[in-house]
Amino acid sequence: NAGVTQTPKFRILKIGQSMTLQCTQDMNHNYMYWYRQDPGMGLKLIYYSVGAGITDKGEVPNGYNVSRSTTEDFPLRLELAAPSQTSVYFCASSYSTTQGQPQHFGDGTRLSIL
Amino acid sequence: DQQVKQNSPSLSVQEGRISILNCDYTNSMFDYFLWYKKYPAEGPTFLISISSIKDKNEDGRFTVFLNKSAKHLSLHIVPSQPGDSAVYFCAASAANNAGNMLTFGGGTRLMVKP
Repeated sequence: NAGVTQTPKFRILKIGQSMTLQCTQDMNHNYMYWYRQDPGMGLKLIYYSVGAGITDKGEVPNGYNVSRSTTEDFPLRLELAAPSQTSVYFCASSYSTTQGQPQHFGDGTRLSIL
Repeated sequence: DQQVKQNSPSLSVQEGRISILNCDYTNSMFDYFLWYKKYPAEGPTFLISISSIKDKNEDGRFTVFLNKSAKHLSLHIVPSQPGDSAVYFCAASAANNAGNMLTFGGGTRLMVKP
């Protein structure tokens, strides 16, 4: 099983460029999440989705957009890259309804904005 | 304001001894707690969880203890093995959390010396 797959693994962007971080899962999970992890810090939630067509903001949504057109895919869009968005981005998914249901993570995308 | 704190950024333990990783939280609405383990260049993987109706949960070498009155939980690893060397994240979930969202601590880097 592939689980949660993120592409690309690494990317360097110039300030003001845009890009889309891809995330796909093959576990038929309803819930999907995007986190960022800054050096020495924990994971902070950017956006989440409870199903296709439904998304909502997390703790740090500014500068990002998401869409959820299918159960499998949850891309994260950076429209105008800024140095503050240099981070490691993790996508995760989980089954719905049960509180505390473990989230399954991809291996991350390391993004540098120069 | 950090709602979940891991005050020890790193911990070094000899192989075969006990590792104790600590986590404190401030939000009294949190009632489910999870521990994740993360190796370099990989995503976090779920390790063990505990509901607030319990004070202990055990899974093989891993035991999580919860002290609700102190808003404190700890992860015990006995015996510690070199393969346990990783960053450990504590995470918490609140009841009536529509998105099953998790709040993460900053992580503790565990080094188990052979």
